[in-house]
Amino acid sequence: EIVMTQSPVTLSVSPGERATLSCRASQNISGHLAWYHQKPGQAPRLLIYGASTRATGIPARFSGGGSGTEFTLTISSLQSEDFAFYYCQQYNDWITFGQGTRLEIK
Amino acid sequence: QVQLVESGGGVVQPGRSLRLSCTASGFAFSSYAMHWVRQAPGRGPEWVAVVSSDGRDKYYADSVRGRFTVSRDNSLNTLYLQMNSLRPEDTAVFYCARGFEITPDTFDVWGQGTLVTVSS
Repeated sequence: EIVMTQSPVTLSVSPGERATLSCRASQNISGHLAWYHQKPGQAPRLLIYGASTRATGIPARFSGGGSGTEFTLTISSLQSEDFAFYYCQQYNDWITFGQGTRLEIK
Repeated sequence: QVQLVESGGGVVQPGRSLRLSCTASGFAFSSYAMHWVRQAPGRGPEWVAVVSSDGRDKYYADSVRGRFTVSRDNSLNTLYLQMNSLRPEDTAVFYCARGFEITPDTFDVWGQGTLVTVSS
């Protein structure tokens, strides 16, 4: 099973600032990576697929990068609605998720 | 609008069974692979199972293979998850999710989830 490790566990950032979240795969997954965010009591929402392609309706302040085993999600200027949990998911070999990063207001 | 609505969750004793349903609306259900994804309290999501658009192909996570069965009825726009031999570690919110058209093993539409609690 491919293990996805996200860091940091919690990230504290002020509104308007940039946030960078990391995701590492235990083996090469090429570009088969997706990112989701999830607010308490809600289902996850697809943000990025193919490591760097924004899903429909996702603002341009969200950008994904990386390939192989190292990936990042960058939010260029944090808005209030961006403070949530973020999960990466690989789909290169079956499907596994990371344990998540909590993005909180500083 | 595009919508998925799960039902069938509840409290069940270990070893017992439960069947979840997910009714789709607002899109061509029969054209999409459909998944079940669960999330235990305070944990990240865990993929459970997928069924192809025509219902012929089914795949399961190791943690549920042999106990859970996924199926669909395209005439009713409904997805099912039959869960047998339930264990306390199956306690989670269960979501049905649509396989994204471009990358079918990602999930672009999710239901609101239904809570399954396995406890004596």
